[in-house]
Amino acid sequence: DAKTTQPPSMDCAEGRAANLPCNHSTISGNEYVYWYRQIHSQGPQYIIHGLKNNETNEMASLIITEDRKSSTLILPHATLRDTAVYYCIVRVASGGSYIPTFGRGTSLIVHP
Amino acid sequence: DAGVTQSPTHLIKTRGQQVTLRCSPISGHKSVSWYQQVLGQGPQFIFQYYEKEERGRGNFPDRFSARQFPNYSSELNVNALLLGDSALYLCASSLFLLAGSTRGDTQYFGPGTRLTVL
Repeated sequence: DAKTTQPPSMDCAEGRAANLPCNHSTISGNEYVYWYRQIHSQGPQYIIHGLKNNETNEMASLIITEDRKSSTLILPHATLRDTAVYYCIVRVASGGSYIPTFGRGTSLIVHP
Repeated sequence: DAGVTQSPTHLIKTRGQQVTLRCSPISGHKSVSWYQQVLGQGPQFIFQYYEKEERGRGNFPDRFSARQFPNYSSELNVNALLLGDSALYLCASSLFLLAGSTRGDTQYFGPGTRLTVL
C-alpha cells in the first residue's frame, strides 16, 4: 500500500510554475522522499529526492515541510515536455531493505 | 554512460507459457529491482537483488522468480502465464541495497518490457 497521497490530476500553463503536492504523513525520521515522473509507456525518470532540507537541481525544486509530513515538487517553468505522471515515493521497510512504494501519482498536463 | 537496458522491448505470449525478461544495470550498480506496472497504476515492486542475493520480495506468487548474475545483470522469469500478467515490466538499478537513510541508493529505471499475454 502506498504511503503517499497525491491529487490524481493537475494542469498548468506553459511557462508557468507547476507545484505538485504530496502528503506523506506517516513518514519516519530517516526516510527520504523521492520524486519520479513517467512519460507515457516509458520507464520512470528520477527527478529529485530529499530528507528534510529543501533541494534544488537542474530539473526541479523540492520543498519539504518542517514536520516532514508533506512536500511539494516545483517545476519552475513548465514546458509541454513536462506533461507526465509524477510519483512521490517513500520506502517501506521490508526484510532488511526499503521498498519503494508507488501510488497512482499525479497526471500533470501542461497546456500552451 | 549507458543507462539501464532491458530486453526484449515487446513480447507476446499465450496463457500457460513461460517468459524470461532480461536487465543490464548501470555500470557499477550492484542492486537490481523488478517492478510490474499494469495499465493505469503505478509500478508494483516484485523483487530486489543485491550482490546476487534476493533481498526483498513483493506480494507476487511463486510463478515469479528472478536471479542476478556475477556481472550484476538480472533475469525475471514468469511461469504459467495468466492474462493478468500482461503489463510493463520495469527493471531499476542502484549502487547499493535500498536503505532508508543512504543517499547513494537512488534507483534508475530502464525503458521496460511490454508483455502481452493472449
